[in-house]
Amino acid sequence: QVQLQESGPGLVKPSQTLSLTCTVSGASISSGSYYWSWIRQPAGKGLEWIGHIHTSGSTKYNPSLKSRVTISVDTSKNQFSLKLTSVTAADTAFYYCAIAFSQLAPLDPWGQGTLVTVSS
Amino acid sequence: DIQMTQSPSSLSASVGDRVTITCRASQSISSFLNWFQQKPGKAPKLLIFAASSLQSGVPSRFSGSGSGTDFTLTISSLQPEDFATYYCQQSYSTLYTFGQGTKLEIK
Repeated sequence: QVQLQESGPGLVKPSQTLSLTCTVSGASISSGSYYWSWIRQPAGKGLEWIGHIHTSGSTKYNPSLKSRVTISVDTSKNQFSLKLTSVTAADTAFYYCAIAFSQLAPLDPWGQGTLVTVSS
Repeated sequence: DIQMTQSPSSLSASVGDRVTITCRASQSISSFLNWFQQKPGKAPKLLIFAASSLQSGVPSRFSGSGSGTDFTLTISSLQPEDFATYYCQQSYSTLYTFGQGTKLEIK
């Protein structure tokens, strides 16, 4: 059973870089043809897909965030990470990681999510 | 990007009611439409994938239908634990997009 767990600072200062990690258990991040995604949700609002990285290392990002986002993989730790630069209060949200097991598959399972607040 | 539009944005219903939520894609997505349920403080939970396939462990009162651009999620007889927010998500394009959500509240 695949499980994902987000971790990282809960508070980030404006203009700085938000960095989160998703630790994967029950699957190898370097095998299969999987899409490892990040999604976020401001409190009380809807879901916004941030981007994903494929097992091959190729990435795709939401055009609205593309200039500020990097998703990468650490195969030695079976983790993938999110970096979002130049954050503002608008980036305050719950951040989730999730997996799609193929190109057309749904996002499932998800991590439990982590709240990141952007504030000085 | 493929835009996903859900309706209604909120819905009041009673236990035992039959409820339908719709989701429309801005272009054809074949049957690559998924439905999620989210309760406060929790991650979204997959209910339906590929428009009409019930995820393992999900009660049979949930069903999905549609193809192309128009999709529906139906709950045949609402139970107290079904009051939550529901999202559709397309996986036809790997630039994933979600609907804005439908909040289902107790009448």
